[in-house]
Amino acid sequence: DAGVTQSPTHLIKTRGQQVTLRCSPKSGHDTVSWYQQALGQGPQFIFQYYEEEERQRGNFPDRFSGHQFPNYSSELNVNALLLGDSALYLCASRDQRGSYEQYFGPGTRLTVT
Amino acid sequence: AQRVTQPEKLLSVFKGAPVELKCNYSYSGSPELFWYVQYSRQRLQLLLRHISRESIKGFTADLNKGETSFHLKKPFAQEEDSAMYYCALRADNFNKFYFGSGTKLNVKP
Repeated sequence: DAGVTQSPTHLIKTRGQQVTLRCSPKSGHDTVSWYQQALGQGPQFIFQYYEEEERQRGNFPDRFSGHQFPNYSSELNVNALLLGDSALYLCASRDQRGSYEQYFGPGTRLTVT
Repeated sequence: AQRVTQPEKLLSVFKGAPVELKCNYSYSGSPELFWYVQYSRQRLQLLLRHISRESIKGFTADLNKGETSFHLKKPFAQEEDSAMYYCALRADNFNKFYFGSGTKLNVKP
């Protein structure tokens, strides 16, 4: 099991553009959370998906949206990119019925120019 | 509002010295606290949680609700402990994690 995987590894976009980031959870996991980690900061919770629905949301604008597919993989979409959206985006998965522990992916580094 | 504060961005100690990484939190409900670690070029991973009251890699952390703290301690630091350490709080709805800004621990030989 490769654990949580994310794609792409790095991405460069221009202000105003839209971006889609992808996450495949660890085998057996059904819950996916997304985090934004700005340089020098800790991860900030964006939202969580379970049963293809957004269950919880952090303090992020509607420009940030997501989706979860029947195979539990997930996408994070960001519209109208701002320079301040430049960050490492982390995906974490867990088994809703099992352990509290969430497993993190390696992240996608997004740079907005 | 929920908040996790790690006052030290960088902590440098010599090998064999005791280490304490500070974490304070603000939360009105019943918190669950965690320490996560990120070694160089590796993913963020769970180190320990307060409920389990276990020692992992020689590290322990005690939840002090009176002082709203969850400091991470190790009596004798090792070079391989050098990493970024993040304190995190899980709100009692189980779905949101709040992370501190992290402390970089540097253990010198």
